[in-house]
Amino acid sequence: EAQVTQNPRYLITVTGKKLTVTCSQNMNHEYMSWYRQDPGLGLRQIYYSMNVEVTDKGDVPEGYKVSRKEKRNFPLILESPSPNQTSLYFCASSPLAGSGGELFFGEGSRLTVL
Amino acid sequence: GEDVEQSLFLSVREGDSSVINCTYTDSSSTYLYWYKQEPGAGLQLLTYIFSNMDMKQDQRLTVLLNKKDKHLSLRIADTQTGDSAIYFCAERGPGFQKLVFGTGTRLLVSP
Repeated sequence: EAQVTQNPRYLITVTGKKLTVTCSQNMNHEYMSWYRQDPGLGLRQIYYSMNVEVTDKGDVPEGYKVSRKEKRNFPLILESPSPNQTSLYFCASSPLAGSGGELFFGEGSRLTVL
Repeated sequence: GEDVEQSLFLSVREGDSSVINCTYTDSSSTYLYWYKQEPGAGLQLLTYIFSNMDMKQDQRLTVLLNKKDKHLSLRIADTQTGDSAIYFCAERGPGFQKLVFGTGTRLLVSP
């Protein structure tokens, strides 16, 4: 089944404790992206990647890092999480050609930073 | 920069039509999308329209695009309780890099 898989789905952590949210897609998509969803703000892009070893900042990159060493994986790293990073995070992927650029989303990772 | 705005809530009765509205600011938008988010799930694409089109119909869904006013709407005919969800409008500019989302409209369908 074609899908985008995120882990963990739920996480409660404490300020300053490094964490990684993994994202994997099995559709051979070139493009991958991370979004955070907050009430009243919709989805805001954190980072995106056009292909392996090519990453760039979105609208709200502060406090986050990403890497794209393989086409299928695009982990989101919070080196020193803070409470304002409490949010619902979505990973998404898309082929660069065809289908109108539809984004395929994972089911989300709800992160709470105490 | 780009900005996409939607009203936050819409409540309708089952069987009525729902119209969800969206305004955007980027006149160079190439594609405009409607995504649906059900509780506890990610977003799923409902439909999209290319910027040189005025209308697109897909079963119960009708998308209208007014480029002059930068206004996009989604009409759901014969709305069902299963249509209750958050609906996001999104626009893509000429590059592929960014899809800008609106704040989402929560649609509540009552029996």
